[in-house]
Amino acid sequence: QSVLTQPPSLSGALGQRVTISCTGSSSNVGAGYDVHWYQQIPGRSPRVLIYRNFNRPSGVPGRFSGSKSGSSASLAITGLQAEDEADYYCQSFDTSLGGYVFGTGTKVTVL
Amino acid sequence: QVLESGGGLAQPGGSLRLSCAASGFTFREYAMNWVRQAPGKGLEWVSSVTGGGTPYYADSVKGRFIVSRDNSNNMVYLQMNRLRAEDTALYYCARDQTVVTGDWLDPWGQGTLVNVSS
Repeated sequence: QSVLTQPPSLSGALGQRVTISCTGSSSNVGAGYDVHWYQQIPGRSPRVLIYRNFNRPSGVPGRFSGSKSGSSASLAITGLQAEDEADYYCQSFDTSLGGYVFGTGTKVTVL
Repeated sequence: QVLESGGGLAQPGGSLRLSCAASGFTFREYAMNWVRQAPGKGLEWVSSVTGGGTPYYADSVKGRFIVSRDNSNNMVYLQMNRLRAEDTALYYCARDQTVVTGDWLDPWGQGTLVNVSS
């Protein structure tokens, strides 16, 4: 089950900024575990966008950025592009469950 | 890269064995994971196995699924028993970043589809 809560959907015009929240609890994000973010384009496998809260792998555009504070984390897309239309998931580790947890997922639509 | 196989149609109560072939990295130095995605739904972690073979399971599959690995052949397996309709999903294999679990997952395979139906 998902124990990290995200907004189901967000939309923005080309060039706008959108921010996706990821809210956890004291057994995962609030316990100090890192948050990672994935992008999943329909029909494709997830790919990592941000790792360890704010780090970008090589090849990921600079318009994607991550942050974490307390039991929550955020993914920001600055300067929204048409190719950013996708589903986005946060992920962390949960000490109560003894394994990984994913967010509920956010569908980003580019207007 | 990682490449899954073994998906297909199974009856409720039946079994399937998924395989994941890894290449391009020193396999025994990385934990491996199974993540599933039911049709139209989000990602759900299923199981992990450390580089040394220690398994971990989500509560939803504990006691029914068994994860294992063969470090000699760069393979990881998911034996799925007592299958239920709610196990229907695309199953991804994904590599961890160290020999133990707890980090991000990359790379991911293309997934193998499991359909549990009578």
